[in-house]
Amino acid sequence: DTEVTQTPKHLVMGMTNKKSLKCEQHMGHRAMYWYKQKAKKPPELMFVYSYEKLSINESVPSRFSPECPNSSLLNLHLHALQPEDSALYLCASSHSGTSPYEQYFGPGTRLTVT
Amino acid sequence: SQKIEQNSEALNIQEGKTATLTCNYTNYSPAYLQWYRQDPGRGPVFLLLIRENEKEKRKERLKVTFDTTLKQSLFHITASQPADSATYLCALVGYNTDKLIFGTGTRLQVFP
Repeated sequence: DTEVTQTPKHLVMGMTNKKSLKCEQHMGHRAMYWYKQKAKKPPELMFVYSYEKLSINESVPSRFSPECPNSSLLNLHLHALQPEDSALYLCASSHSGTSPYEQYFGPGTRLTVT
Repeated sequence: SQKIEQNSEALNIQEGKTATLTCNYTNYSPAYLQWYRQDPGRGPVFLLLIRENEKEKRKERLKVTFDTTLKQSLFHITASQPADSATYLCALVGYNTDKLIFGTGTRLQVFP
């Protein structure tokens, strides 16, 4: 199984809502990632988890809160978002370490903040 | 600051021709470079990886070159087909890190 799944596919939320994005992989990968992608722009790294520990936080606002409950799951908790946070949120996974491993991306969650 | 630019936002070519996409970077010393394909509304899909000490890599109709002196990678698709139409992203990875930095992307359109 070389698939990364993400739920929901689409999400519309108000600025006062709290919601969560979910990501799952069963490839035994120990690195998992959250990216944000705006239209016609490349993905921008938000967070990296390596062996279930947060290893990289790209100075993301605290209204985005990642969580890695186990090696297969990655969540992104959203609270008090702004309209400019509307984007495609991509999850990815890879083997972790110093060797060059490709990343496997999920289909993304299209988030709209109203 | 680090900068990764791909030669053009869009590239249109005729079916059967070779598409050549360029990735240039500054203020960075990557350990290796990857190329991804992204279709609209989908996540990127890995295509090829090349290490800093490798000059060229091939996979079927795809070829990647990496010149660390010029700080440039070229990505070629030979005998291009309309199904190759997509956005292509280069991505750099440094040493001892899982962090991938993506280039600006090139939208390739192959017309019959």
